[in-house]
Amino acid sequence: KAGVTQTPRYLIKTRGQQVTLSCSPISGHRSVSWYQQTPGQGLQFLFEYFSETQRNKGNFPGRFSGRQFSNSRSEMNVSTLELGDSALYLCASSPGMRTDTQYFGPGTRLTVL
Amino acid sequence: DQQVKQNSPSLSVQEGRISILNCDYTNSMFDYFLWYKKYPAEGPTFLISISSIKDKNEDGRFTVFLNKSAKHLSLHIVPSQPGDSAVYFCAATWGAQKLVFGQGTRLTINP
Repeated sequence: KAGVTQTPRYLIKTRGQQVTLSCSPISGHRSVSWYQQTPGQGLQFLFEYFSETQRNKGNFPGRFSGRQFSNSRSEMNVSTLELGDSALYLCASSPGMRTDTQYFGPGTRLTVL
Repeated sequence: DQQVKQNSPSLSVQEGRISILNCDYTNSMFDYFLWYKKYPAEGPTFLISISSIKDKNEDGRFTVFLNKSAKHLSLHIVPSQPGDSAVYFCAATWGAQKLVFGQGTRLTINP
């Protein structure tokens, strides 16, 4: 079974631009969560979707948004990029409503110049 | 508000010895705890977990201990091997909702 895939793997943007990241969960998994990883901050929870509905949201500004499609694929969007948005963005999927065991993708490394 | 804290950013251990990684939490509602391991350029992978009704869980060389009164958990790796060099994250959850992660500890195993 294929793992969680994320595209693109690397991205360079400039301040003020917007970006869309994509995540394809493991086949059959219906829950997708997004995390931001920065040095010293660990993994910070962005949001979680289950069956196209956002179930949980972290403490991030409204510039960060996401959605999930009927095939469970998910996208996250960051508008008006800031230098501090430079990070590794990780997507994780879970088979059902429980998110205690998640399977992570390799991440998208976003650099904002 | 950092609900899960890993106060040691890095740890260096000699091959064959015991590695002990520590994690503290503040939210008494947490009922499930996990450890993840992360290599560079890869996503975190699940390592071991423990429910709040237990105080110890063992899986091969890896053992997790939970001290609820102290709100502290630790991961023991015995014996440590070079392939264990990675960043280790502890995480906690309640009601199987979102995972709350610590900042991570970089473990280096020296030959």
